[in-house]
Order: sequence, then structure tokens, then C-alpha cells
Amino acid sequence: QVQLQQSGTELVKPASSVKISCKASGYTFTSNYMHWIRQQPGNGLEWIGWIYPGNGNTKYNQKFDGKATLTADKSSSTAYMQLSSLTSEDSAVYFCASRGFAYWGQGTLVTVSS
Amino acid sequence: DIQMTQSPSFLSASVGDRVTINCKASQNINKYLNWYQQKLGEAPKRLIYNTNNLQTGIPSRFSGSGSGTDYTLTISSLQPEDFATYFCLQHNSLYTFGAGTKLELK
Repeated sequence: QVQLQQSGTELVKPASSVKISCKASGYTFTSNYMHWIRQQPGNGLEWIGWIYPGNGNTKYNQKFDGKATLTADKSSSTAYMQLSSLTSEDSAVYFCASRGFAYWGQGTLVTVSS
Repeated sequence: DIQMTQSPSFLSASVGDRVTINCKASQNINKYLNWYQQKLGEAPKRLIYNTNNLQTGIPSRFSGSGSGTDYTLTISSLQPEDFATYFCLQHNSLYTFGAGTKLELK
């Protein structure tokens, strides 16, 4: 069955970076877009961007251009999102999702605090 | 960018009730509209894709309809496990989520 397994909770300091992973199984990783989504406490969901692991192409929501960098490792069927120059505004749960947003990871909580 | 206006934000209902949740797009989204259910601390679960297609394994009391800019999720007879937050996603032009509807037990 399709599974997206994300890395664990992160507590990071302001101005630092963090890299979250999403390991895919149960489907062809290279043939499906991997999306990343942010959910802030009490707020709705925002699409951050997608990566197509087959060729590494990416597309970002303008709001997250320069904040998020998406990469993928075909050998391990793992997608990554790096968030840089972190502030308290970046504290949120981050999800990966694939296959037309049919399948989602369990979410990774990122807390930015000194 | 396409904006999605979801209503109501909160909905109080009883087991057995029929409820509807609406999403209005700022422009025609050609039926590229999905509906999701999310429970606290969990990932969203897709219920409906492309307006009216029921995801495998989802009970038939969930249905979707709409066209153009206006879309509706209907739950025909609420069950205890249906109390959750629901939101829509348009995927016609990039991706925009509705703000969510919290469905609570009356």
C-alpha cells in the first residue's frame, strides 16, 4: 500500500535551516509529483510547491520562493524540503502528499524558538 | 491566483443530520476540486476528487457536486466518526485550499 513516512519533530533556532524528509513506498516514486503543504496552528493549509522526482523539476508557490527548496533522491525514494532563514512565522506542521493529493505523510512539526 | 471561499467556518449538527459545506472559487476551476476530512493530529484524508468522484473506501453518505465556481460537499446522514474539519482543494491552476469547516456535535 502507498505510504509516505516523514521525519520527526524539529525544534530549531531562529535564522537556522531545517531539512524534512518524506520516504515513499508502495508506488512509483519517480512518476508522481510530490507536493509539500504547510499548516500553521489554527490556520488552514497552504501549498508550498511540488517536485517531480523523475527529472527533479520543481514549482513553487511564489510566497515560498527562497524559503523552501525541494529535492528528491531516486535511489531511496525520498523527497526532501529544506526551509531556510527560519523565523517564528515558520513554526507549523509540514506535510508531503502525492498521487494527486490522495496520499499524505503524517506531518512534521517544526517549532522555531530560541 | 485562485482564491477559495469556504462556508460555513463552523457547523453544529447532530448524528443523523444532513449537512452541506460549500466552496466558491474566484474563477472557473473546471471541476478540479477535491474534498478532505482532517481529524486532530492526523493527516488529511481525501474523500472526493474532481468534484464528485468518491475515493475508494469512503462511505457513500459522502457526495460532492458543483461546476464552474461553486462546489458542495454533502454528508447525507452524519455518523459519530464524521465530526472533524473539512476543507476543499482546487487543482485547476496551481493549488489553493479552502479555509476549512469545523463540524461539531450539537
